Amino acid sequence: SAVISQKPSRDICQRGTSLTIQCQVDSQVTMMFWYRQQPGQSLTLIATANQGSEATYESGFVIDKFPISRPNLTFSTLTVSNMSPEDSSIYLCSVPIPGRTSYEQYFGPGTRLTVT
Amino acid sequence: GDSVTQMEGPVTLSEEAFLTINCTYTATGYPSLFWYVQYPGEGLQLLLKATKADDKGSNKGFEATYRKETTSFHLEKGSVQVSDSAVYFCALDTGGFKTIFGAGTRLFVKA
Repeated sequence: SAVISQKPSRDICQRGTSLTIQCQVDSQVTMMFWYRQQPGQSLTLIATANQGSEATYESGFVIDKFPISRPNLTFSTLTVSNMSPEDSSIYLCSVPIPGRTSYEQYFGPGTRLTVT
Repeated sequence: GDSVTQMEGPVTLSEEAFLTINCTYTATGYPSLFWYVQYPGEGLQLLLKATKADDKGSNKGFEATYRKETTSFHLEKGSVQVSDSAVYFCALDTGGFKTIFGAGTRLFVKA
């Protein structure tokens, strides 16, 4: 298993500003994922963050808007840049941990972002 | 591409009622299937999983059986409690570490 923490847990930000979200894992992991969960919606994968290489972004997400850092095997940050009200969402990080027969995703508690 | 479809919510039940949340999937290959639960104000937690056809995952009174012939993984519980109120996500993993989630089904259980 894995224990994942995120900071901040919530924030209210003004449009045009940026927010950096931190994700800390209690063990070393190769891959970390960042998801967005818009109000009442399912999870959408933003990007995959591997240590030592550039993050891989999903269609519709770009590095200029969501820069990601992965300085070591236990930590990652996601920045939401030049925010607009449409960025109001819960942002979650997750890591795949091998189980007995398959990988299981462990999630952080999420960062609830409101942009005014 | 791979996808997961689950029944729309919200589902509202009285305490001790029987719960079914339907989930079907489309995938190439042989995916692992999962149910995740998200309690209010929290992140997602793995509830149960099944990795091959006819496997039954179970946890906390919830069960789901991997049905390859109907490409389904319906979640059931015989007697729900108020504390089961949450959003439930069906998901699949085809082995590439990325998990594909359904839209989520919100469950309200009334006392």
